[in-house]
Amino acid sequence: DQQVKQNSPSLSVQEGRISILNCDYTNSMFDYFLWYKKYPAEGPTFLISISSIKDKNEDGRFTVFLNKSAKHLSLHIVPSQPGDSAVYFCAVAGYSTLTFGKGTMLLVSP
Amino acid sequence: EAQVTQNPRYLITVTGKKLTVTCSQNMNHEYMSWYRQDPGLGLRQIYYSMNVEVTDKGDVPEGYKVSRKEKRNFPLILESPSPNQTSLYFCASGRVTYEQYFGPGTRLTVT
Repeated sequence: DQQVKQNSPSLSVQEGRISILNCDYTNSMFDYFLWYKKYPAEGPTFLISISSIKDKNEDGRFTVFLNKSAKHLSLHIVPSQPGDSAVYFCAVAGYSTLTFGKGTMLLVSP
Repeated sequence: EAQVTQNPRYLITVTGKKLTVTCSQNMNHEYMSWYRQDPGLGLRQIYYSMNVEVTDKGDVPEGYKVSRKEKRNFPLILESPSPNQTSLYFCASGRVTYEQYFGPGTRLTVT
């Protein structure tokens, strides 16, 4: 049973617009929620995280929102840039493990 | 430069021929982990290690072994590889689970 679900395999947006990537999780016991970005032929790189005690964390163009009651996590990218085109993985962290979703491929067109 | 290195980056081998993929980190991290990435399945954890001589199974440990004799190294061992282990493998390290740095990946093909 998937603990982390990213229901959109892909998303296309235009440069300058907002990109919203979504993630749902099943277990309420996770401590941290993260987003990783992955370019082809490279390892995933950490993008942004949020603690379970917060509902929003912002870092430049990237904002992560956590809705604990809905067990939902989202990543907002504003404004989107062509260089943001990549696969985005949502992940949830417990004490000893990191569990990833299947990823959403974001394509930002000029 | 702080980094996680993996070797080899690409490997083609045959069924049953034992192989080892090395992983090394220079950040003095206690936590290390191995993942495999497959199309449509995302990243799945194979094994992890909280510290030297402490290892545990992840979600997909069958067919793999690991060891953690030194803090910086965490090799992944396939004693009898099979075609279903053809995948893209990533090693990662971190101070804690929610702060992991990934290596560049090893693409393994088992024929």
